[in-house]
Amino acid sequence: RKEVEQDPGPFNVPEGATVAFNCTYSNSASQSFFWYRQDCRKEPKLLMSVYSSGNEDGRFTAQLNRASQYISLLIRDSKLSDSATYLCVVISGGSYIPTFGRGTSLIVHP
Amino acid sequence: NAGVMQNPRHLVRRRGQEARLRCSPMKGHSHVYWYRQLPEEGLKFMVYLQKENIIDESGMPKERFSAEFPKEGPSILRIQQVVRGDSAAYFCASSPGTNTEAFFGQGTRLTVV
Repeated sequence: RKEVEQDPGPFNVPEGATVAFNCTYSNSASQSFFWYRQDCRKEPKLLMSVYSSGNEDGRFTAQLNRASQYISLLIRDSKLSDSATYLCVVISGGSYIPTFGRGTSLIVHP
Repeated sequence: NAGVMQNPRHLVRRRGQEARLRCSPMKGHSHVYWYRQLPEEGLKFMVYLQKENIIDESGMPKERFSAEFPKEGPSILRIQQVVRGDSAAYFCASSPGTNTEAFFGQGTRLTVV
């Protein structure tokens, strides 16, 4: 089982739609969680950290479910500029290495 | 506060040559990570370094690849005797500590011809 798993998509949605991605992780000792965004042929950029209580940043909401070992990202009112690959990142206690999922591709169309 | 700086952005090497990739972390960051990304694939961890120490190199091939992060100067990822399969984007990230956000450089795109 991979350490961090994501549905690769693509998720193809119209502008204004709400879309949600999940990511599962295998190591129950994982301590820190993040979502990154990567545009084609660019470096990954931090989108937001994920806290146990859930957190929101504008149109983006991230949640963590430790019992089921998954994190989620919800994007409301999708914009064309949201089209990108969204990467789930987990850091496990002990290794301290950010481990990336393969990413979920989002395409927002007019 | 400049971000993570990687150079060169693009590097072309012939098979058998050496490739040197440099990474200067963000100011105040002492943790450096190197990743490799093939087209249409995810980021694969290679090596984790702190100043003058390799913390974890479990993702780095045992042969031809080496990394360092000296007391002064940038972190270097060195690939000796490159082969076509080494062609990829190599990203460096830095963080101020463990369990914190990591910030990426723009990457070095290595092409082996």
